Amino acid sequence: DIQMTQSPSTLSASVGDRVTITCRASQIIYTWLAWYQQKPGKAPKLLIYKASNLESGVPSRFSGSGSGTEFTLTISSLQPDDFTTYYCQQYSTYPLTFGGGTRVDIK
Amino acid sequence: EVQLVESGGGLVQPGGSLRLSCVVSGFTFSDHYMDWVRQAPGEGLEWVGRIRNKAKSYTTEYAASVGGRFTISRDDSKNSLYLQMNSLKTEDTAVYYCARGHSYGYSNWLFDYWGQGTLVTVSS
Repeated sequence: DIQMTQSPSTLSASVGDRVTITCRASQIIYTWLAWYQQKPGKAPKLLIYKASNLESGVPSRFSGSGSGTEFTLTISSLQPDDFTTYYCQQYSTYPLTFGGGTRVDIK
Repeated sequence: EVQLVESGGGLVQPGGSLRLSCVVSGFTFSDHYMDWVRQAPGEGLEWVGRIRNKAKSYTTEYAASVGGRFTISRDDSKNSLYLQMNSLKTEDTAVYYCARGHSYGYSNWLFDYWGQGTLVTVSS
């Protein structure tokens, strides 16, 4: 199975900060990577697909990059609504696997 | 508007069975792969399994943790997805989400829309 490792597991930041979350795959997954945002008690929401493609309706402050085994999710200017948990997920190979999550909280 | 609504969760004893349903609307269900993803209380996301569309002969994939115990099926005429869970274990306790597969025109499919989830508790 492909292991997805997110770092950091928790990130403390302030409104307006630029934040970056890293996701590493244990094998090459090309660009078959998605990023999801999940708020407490809610279903995950797709932000980015194929490593760098912004899902329709997602604010442009979110961006994704990377290929192979190293990927990043960047929020260019953190907004109050962004303080929540983010997951990466590979869809290159079965079983589909998720990273452990990164919680972004208020500094 | 795309909607996915799960039902069928509840409390079940270890070794028992449960069948979850997911009714969808707002899109052509038969075109899409469909998935189940679960989340144990306070934990991260775990993919459970996938059923492909008719064009791909409704073939299925499962996580090793549920293979042989869980079965995914669908009824395109009813816009419905199902998860039959047998031989349930305490570690199967989780919120179960159905999710729509989407390819964006590429060869690989991810999930773009999710239901609100249904809680399954396995406990004696």
